Amino acid sequence: GENVEQHPSTLSVQEGDSAVIKCTYSDSASNYFPWYKQELGKRPQLIIDIRSNVGEKKDQRIAVTLNKTAKHFSLHITETQPEDSAVYFCAASSQTGANNLFFGTGTRLTVIP
Amino acid sequence: DTGVSQDPRHKITKRGQNVTFRCDPISEHNRLYWYRQTLGQGPEFLTYFQNEAQLEKSRLLSDRFSAERPKGSFSTLEIQRTEQGDSAMYLCASSPFTDTQYFGPGTRLTVL
Repeated sequence: GENVEQHPSTLSVQEGDSAVIKCTYSDSASNYFPWYKQELGKRPQLIIDIRSNVGEKKDQRIAVTLNKTAKHFSLHITETQPEDSAVYFCAASSQTGANNLFFGTGTRLTVIP
Repeated sequence: DTGVSQDPRHKITKRGQNVTFRCDPISEHNRLYWYRQTLGQGPEFLTYFQNEAQLEKSRLLSDRFSAERPKGSFSTLEIQRTEQGDSAMYLCASSPFTDTQYFGPGTRLTVL
C-alpha cells in the first residue's frame, strides 16, 4: 500500500518568515495530494490540494508543489502569522477503489510572534 | 452548520463495553469514510461507503468493529468488547463524486 513520509515533525519560524513542509510517497498510482491543517481538538481542515496533472498551485500565502518523478510534494507558507500555528498533514490517494487518503505523520508548526 | 457532524464528541467507557458512534455527512455526499487518529499520528483509514454499500475495509478494522450506512445518509461505527488499544479519535469524512474529503470534528474514545 501507499506510504507517506513527512518532514520535519516540528517547525518553528518567526512571524513573517516562510515555512516549508515536505512529503514523499511510494505509490506511483497516487495522483491526488491534499494538505490539511488541524488545530488542537479540532477537525482536519483542507487548506489546499493538487492533482498530478499540475506541478504547482497557489492560494494567497499558501502554495503546493509536486514532483511526480521524484514522488515528493511540498507545502509552502509565506508571511507566516501566529494563527498559522497548527499541525499540518499531507496525504495522498489514487483515483481507484475507495480513494481513501494515506496521511503523513504531521508537522507541528509554531509561528513565534 | 452544514458540515460533517459526529456524535458524541467524547466517550469514556470501561474495557469490554460496546460503544457506537454516529456520523452525519454533508447532505448529498454519497461517499463516507471512517478514519482513526491516535496521538501524534495522521488519520488512518478504516472503512468506506458509497451510498449504503460498504465497499472497502482496512485490515485495521478487526471483527470487533462494524460500520453501517443503512439509508446512504448517516453512518454508525460500533466497537464491541472495547480494549484500551481502541482509545483514539474516530473521524468521519464525506465526499461528493470527487476526491475532496471533508472531515467531521471526531469522537474521542477513552477506554479505561
